Amino acid sequence: DIVMTQSPDSLTVSLGERATISCKSSQTLFYSSNNKNYLAWYQQKPGQPPKLLIYWASTRESGVPDRFSGSGSGTDFTLTISGLQAEDVAVYYCQQYYNTPWTFGQGTKVEIK
Amino acid sequence: EVQLAESGGGLVKPGGSLRLSCAASGITFKNAWMGWVRQAPGKGLEWVGLIKSKNEGGTSVYAAPVRGRFSISRDDEKNTVYLLMNSLKSEDTAVYYCTAGSWFGPWGQGTLVTVSS
Repeated sequence: DIVMTQSPDSLTVSLGERATISCKSSQTLFYSSNNKNYLAWYQQKPGQPPKLLIYWASTRESGVPDRFSGSGSGTDFTLTISGLQAEDVAVYYCQQYYNTPWTFGQGTKVEIK
Repeated sequence: EVQLAESGGGLVKPGGSLRLSCAASGITFKNAWMGWVRQAPGKGLEWVGLIKSKNEGGTSVYAAPVRGRFSISRDDEKNTVYLLMNSLKSEDTAVYYCTAGSWFGPWGQGTLVTVSS
């Protein structure tokens, strides 16, 4: 099974500052035949279901603010929130869909300093 | 607009069974890989399993903790996917969400399953 490891487990950032979350996979998520990385990012606010932010590692879901961006390839990926807003307080998860069983990272909690 | 609506959760004793349902709309259901993700209280997201579309074989894949106890099925006429859970354990207590596709767009509100004596 592909193990997804996020870091840090929690992150405290000032309003307007940048938040960076890392996600590493135990094997590559890059499929050379279509040049795509099989990785998604989700945001989950307290008491709510998760919300899709990013898929194919860097494609923003419709309606997601452009302060959220995804990058990386292979086994190392990053979610960046450029200019943290109060409404961004949440837990963020990465998920690989390269191989079943699909797997999630353990989550990164983002809070305001 | 894609909508997923889970139902069927509740309180069940250890060793018992429960069947969850998920009604989907806004997607071409018969072509969609449908599945389930769960979240234990205060914990992270855990993928449970999926069922492929019938034209891709209709087979199911499961996560190790539920393999042999859980079964996913689908009714393409009703745009509904099911999760049959047998031999339930306390560690199966969670909110269960159904999913469509390989990355998960809109999510339903989930249905809570509590396994306790």
